[in-house]
Amino acid sequence: DAKTTQPNSMESNEEEPVHLPCNHSTISGTDYIHWYRQLPSQGPEYVIHGLTSNVNNRMASLAIAEDRKSSTLILHRATLRDAAVYYCILRDSVGKLIFGQGTELSVKP
Amino acid sequence: EAGVAQSPRYKIIEKRQSVAFWCNPISGHATLYWYQQILGQGPKLLIQFQNNGVVDDSQLPKDRFSAERLKGVDSTLKIQPAKLEDSAVYLCASSKLFSSNSPLHFGNGTRLTVT
Repeated sequence: DAKTTQPNSMESNEEEPVHLPCNHSTISGTDYIHWYRQLPSQGPEYVIHGLTSNVNNRMASLAIAEDRKSSTLILHRATLRDAAVYYCILRDSVGKLIFGQGTELSVKP
Repeated sequence: EAGVAQSPRYKIIEKRQSVAFWCNPISGHATLYWYQQILGQGPKLLIQFQNNGVVDDSQLPKDRFSAERLKGVDSTLKIQPAKLEDSAVYLCASSKLFSSNSPLHFGNGTRLTVT
């Protein structure tokens, strides 16, 4: 299973942009990059995913490096409700989703 | 659309007892997953179903854990007998397609405490 590396924790100020990095140097050509977040006492929530091109949705943007060995999840204006653990995961061709430790994001008012 | 439903929400049992968890995935989702999340860790995949067939159960402790997905819809996960180290949140997830391009949708889990 291809692995990802994320910082253990990050801090942000409310209403400022947040850039959450992820390294995945062993990614294969068919692996999609998925991001999920988990709020306390809830199951993980899908945020965004992509293959090669940058992706945008109502929750966030995903910037993927040209060589696909890294990606960045961008929250354009952090709110207190964005405080969560963010997981960057490679989903392989048989659909497995293997979680790492994730990045714990705290948002200061 | 309705989300992934799991029950019970909480369960407390003594070690060596048995317990079962139930999951109802999103309608039409072919792929179903069970994960175990120990406090402070990321979720660990236990078993993956495609319709009612098992795709991957390599991380399922088969001496005590079992899972089934009858008729390719609902699923149950059972532990018998439970050990103290089984205390965790058990998460069910479903995905529309058996594909790396299809997101997973998670339930809120069952929190199991083994005393």
